[in-house]
Amino acid sequence: GIQVEQSPPDLILQEGANSTLRCNFSDSVNNLQWFHQNPWGQLINLFYIPSGTKQNGRLSATTVATERYSLLYISSSQTTDSGVYFCAVANSGGSNYKLTFGKGTLLTVNP
Amino acid sequence: EAQVTQNPRYLITVTGKKLTVTCSQNMNHEYMSWYRQDPGLGLRQIYYSMNVEVTDKGDVPEGYKVSRKEKRNFPLILESPSPNQTSLYFCASSLSPGVDTEAFFGQGTRLTVV
Repeated sequence: GIQVEQSPPDLILQEGANSTLRCNFSDSVNNLQWFHQNPWGQLINLFYIPSGTKQNGRLSATTVATERYSLLYISSSQTTDSGVYFCAVANSGGSNYKLTFGKGTLLTVNP
Repeated sequence: EAQVTQNPRYLITVTGKKLTVTCSQNMNHEYMSWYRQDPGLGLRQIYYSMNVEVTDKGDVPEGYKVSRKEKRNFPLILESPSPNQTSLYFCASSLSPGVDTEAFFGQGTRLTVV
């Protein structure tokens, strides 16, 4: 199956700093999503981005499908950005539209 | 509002007592699935459903059952729960299998089996 690697595994920032999270995947995909898991365990959709670039407020993401990686940018970080960020991919060529998740990046933003 | 709703959010139960976690989506999605999340193991798929009356095993189906009698509902059934099924469970849905569409997740259900 597809392998998904996220880096860094842990990241500690001061409020106001910028950061870049990376997701590498081992095979071609036609779906890629970024999620934020908040302290209550909820998975929040950030981006659906199988290719290209998207922006939503202080967050933006870029996926270069031909080179098998995606980047999540967080600018002017806030304490509420803390949590685990997951990248998940799917190759819907088969019968199962399963998302394969990376292990996540644990982000801590200190005031 | 488009959403996937799971119930209950939290559940503590005893070994062997049958339970059902419900999942409902209001987006007319064809594809639904269940995942469990465990420390060190990440999120793994339990079962999935391509449409009404069409279900199949994911990566970790042992100890679970599902049904899909209506398009909007996809309950997860634990006939005889055991402590190793203590986990955080997520239901997800997306528009259509094989189509490149976004998956939406429910709020999660924290299950503890004692």
